Amino acid sequence: AQKVTQAQTEISVVEKEDVTLDCVYETRDTTYYLFWYKQPPSGELVFLIRRNSFDEQNEISGRYSWNFQKSTSSFNFTITASQVVDSAVYFCALSEETSGSRLTFGEGTQLTVNP
Amino acid sequence: DADVTQTPRNRITKTGKRIMLECSQTKGHDRMYWYRQDPGLGLRLIYYSFDVKDINKGEISDGYSVSRQAQAKFSLSLESAIPNQTALYFCATSGSGLADITSTDTQYFGPGTRLTVL
Repeated sequence: AQKVTQAQTEISVVEKEDVTLDCVYETRDTTYYLFWYKQPPSGELVFLIRRNSFDEQNEISGRYSWNFQKSTSSFNFTITASQVVDSAVYFCALSEETSGSRLTFGEGTQLTVNP
Repeated sequence: DADVTQTPRNRITKTGKRIMLECSQTKGHDRMYWYRQDPGLGLRLIYYSFDVKDINKGEISDGYSVSRQAQAKFSLSLESAIPNQTALYFCATSGSGLADITSTDTQYFGPGTRLTVL
């Protein structure tokens, strides 16, 4: 069975600080996909990134970066120089190839960036 | 226009009432999903459909039913609403979209429907 754990329920930082959101997953499949979604206060879910299990390259997109480590079953998300607009709930999710795209979500991390 | 739309966006109803939430998409995706979000629990899958003739239960399907009327439409029904079904409901789509073939297995979400059952 697939499982995603986001141990940090809430994080509060001051603007311009770097912050890392942790995500640990469990799966028995060798082929799987990992995702991060952002849910701003307005409530919609915004897709941020998708990574497949055969691609362990870290990815950077502007102030966002993701560190995928299969050895520790982790897919952590770092925001560099955080901004108030980054305040949101962030969800990590897992989809196993054998589950046909069904997503299992973590509980989410509420990030608050204070000015 | 949004690729995935949900109606209504907000709904307040009473215990025992039947209610339907609707989802439409213009992404050309073949797969559609319904999730509910509760505080502290993330999103949990209610039902999913891989094409018009395919309906599958998710992890929390009790008390819900769905209908896939067309490739682009997927509705969720609560036959007899109860207060613990108060939640934020999301529809999502994925698949090899006509205009976005790289989106396979990436789910795109609608704006959500906030349902309150009194």
